[in-house]
Amino acid sequence: DIQMTQSPASLSASLGETVTIECLASEDIYSNLAWYQQKPGKSPQLLIYDASSLQDGVPSRFSGSESGTQYSLEINSLQSEDAATYFCQQHHDYPWTFGGGTKLELK
Amino acid sequence: QVTLKESGPGMLQPSKTLSLTCSFSGFSLSTSGMVVSWIRQPSGKSLEWLAAIDWDGDKYYNPSLKSRLTVSKDTSNTQVFLKITSVDIADTATYYCARRRTMGITPFDYWGQGVMVTVSS
Repeated sequence: DIQMTQSPASLSASLGETVTIECLASEDIYSNLAWYQQKPGKSPQLLIYDASSLQDGVPSRFSGSESGTQYSLEINSLQSEDAATYFCQQHHDYPWTFGGGTKLELK
Repeated sequence: QVTLKESGPGMLQPSKTLSLTCSFSGFSLSTSGMVVSWIRQPSGKSLEWLAAIDWDGDKYYNPSLKSRLTVSKDTSNTQVFLKITSVDIADTATYYCARRRTMGITPFDYWGQGVMVTVSS
């Protein structure tokens, strides 16, 4: 199985700040990386797919990038509604695997 | 409009078989490239992909649970089912079904609201 190591597990930031969440794949997943946002009591929502493609309706302050097997999610100009838990997921090969999650809190 | 909705027993006893149903609309599982997966999430933890079935009836399982899982679909291609045998406390989780496609946007682009399942004696 492909292991997805996500960091940090949690972070706290202020409105308007920029934060970065990272995911390290245990092997090459050829940019087949998705990011999801999950709010308490809700199902995950797709933000980014193919490492850097923005899903329809997702604000442009969300962006994804990659460097080798390291993938990053950047959120610019934090808004209050961005408080959530974020997960990465590789969609390269079965079994699909997820990162451990990053809980983002707004100060 | 694509929607998915899970249903299940809510609570069951250890060693029993868990049966879940995913009812969906807005797409057909008979359409080439469509796949419906089951994913679970214990409270406060990450997500675990369990199984999938595609438009052609091909089935995919997480090797860690394969011996206990059976995924199937109905003939109208509007429902997908998951059975998990010999459940124990570790199977307590919210269970989601989600759609993905094999072309274009390939991760899980639509999810159900989830159904909470508690395994307890």
